[in-house]
Formats: sequence, structure tokens, C-alpha cells
Amino acid sequence: DQQVKQNSPSLSVQEGRISILNCDYTNSMFDYFLWYKKYPAEGPTFLISISSIKDKNEDGRFTVFLNKSAKHLSLHIVPSQPGDSAVYFCAASDSGGYQKVTFGTGTKLQVIP
Amino acid sequence: KAGVTQTPRYLIKTRGQQVTLSCSPISGHRSVSWYQQTPGQGLQFLFEYFSETQRNKGNFPGRFSGRQFSNSRSEMNVSTLELGDSALYLCASSTTGTGTYEQYFGPGTRLTVT
Repeated sequence: DQQVKQNSPSLSVQEGRISILNCDYTNSMFDYFLWYKKYPAEGPTFLISISSIKDKNEDGRFTVFLNKSAKHLSLHIVPSQPGDSAVYFCAASDSGGYQKVTFGTGTKLQVIP
Repeated sequence: KAGVTQTPRYLIKTRGQQVTLSCSPISGHRSVSWYQQTPGQGLQFLFEYFSETQRNKGNFPGRFSGRQFSNSRSEMNVSTLELGDSALYLCASSTTGTGTYEQYFGPGTRLTVT
């Protein structure tokens, strides 16, 4: 049972435009969400996170939006740059204890120069 | 500060053998988690250790085991290897290991079972 779903395996965007990566979750106990970026031959690196008490968090070109009622979050990258080309993983956890982090299957973003 | 290191980076084993993977976390990090990454499955959580104790375990068979040493270094062992165990195994460390803290990943160990 995939509790964190990223339904788009890949996404292509022109340089300078907005990239929107989507993530859905089913477990209502999840209250903390993270995005990771992964380049080939490297481990994932943390990008941005959001707590369920917020609906938006910004860090430079990256913004994460959380819609708790829809159990949906999205990552916006504006403007997109070729260096953003990577696989993006959405992850979720229950902060109430020492809970494991559940990752989605990833979305491969290609930013075209 | 040095990042998370994993050894070996690549490994080829035969079905039925066993394998041990090693992970050295960032200095000061006491939580170490292990993940299996396969195409189409994303990162599947294996287990998490904190101060030498396993605190969380994913849905993997008992052939997958791990341990953590007093210096926070961790090892993962897979016994009786199966072809389906071929994957990238990632280790991640964090300060306390609760879900609210970002994890720092190593480059992974690519295991191929033939």
C-alpha cells in the first residue's frame, strides 16, 4: 500500500518557467512533509519541509504548499533552472513519535535550456 | 564536517550468499536509517537505529537485519540473497531521528545479485 504517491514519473519544463511537482498521501497521521532532490550516483539531499500547522513554506525559488483536506502537497520551483534537473522525492512522517519516514516513488524533472 | 559515507559503493553477490553493508553517519548524528531503492518503488524504509537500539522497522523479511555501534556507525546485513534484493541501499543520518528532522543521505551501495 503506497501511502505517499507521486503520480507523475516525469516532468519536462522550459528554463525560466515554473515547475510544479505533486504528491498525495493517504495516511491522516502524517503531519510533517519533506521534499528531497536526488542526482544520479548521489544520495538524496533535503530541499524543503512543511509542518501540517502551515499551508505554505518558502525557501528562495522553492515553495511547498500543503492542502490537508485534500491530502495533497506540491512543490513549486520558480524560475526553473537546468541544474534543477533531478529526481524529486516527496516524504511524509508522523512527528508524534520516532516514526519512520515514508517516501514517494519520485518524479524526474527535466529542465530544458 | 564530513558527510555520510557508505562502503562498499558497489557489490556483486550470488544468490544464496550473504552481504554486509556499512554506514558511517555525520559526526554527532545518533540516528541512522536504511532504505532500499528500486526502480518504480521509490525509497522503501528498512529500519532505523538510535543509540544502538532499533526503534523502527519496515516491512521487510527477517533476512534483512542491522545493528548500530557505540560510535553510531551502522551495518546492514542481508542473508540468503535473492535476485530481488538487487537495489541501491541508502543510509541516512540525522540528529535525533524523529520525522521532523531532515536526513542526510550517503551515496548508497549498489548491490547486484546474480
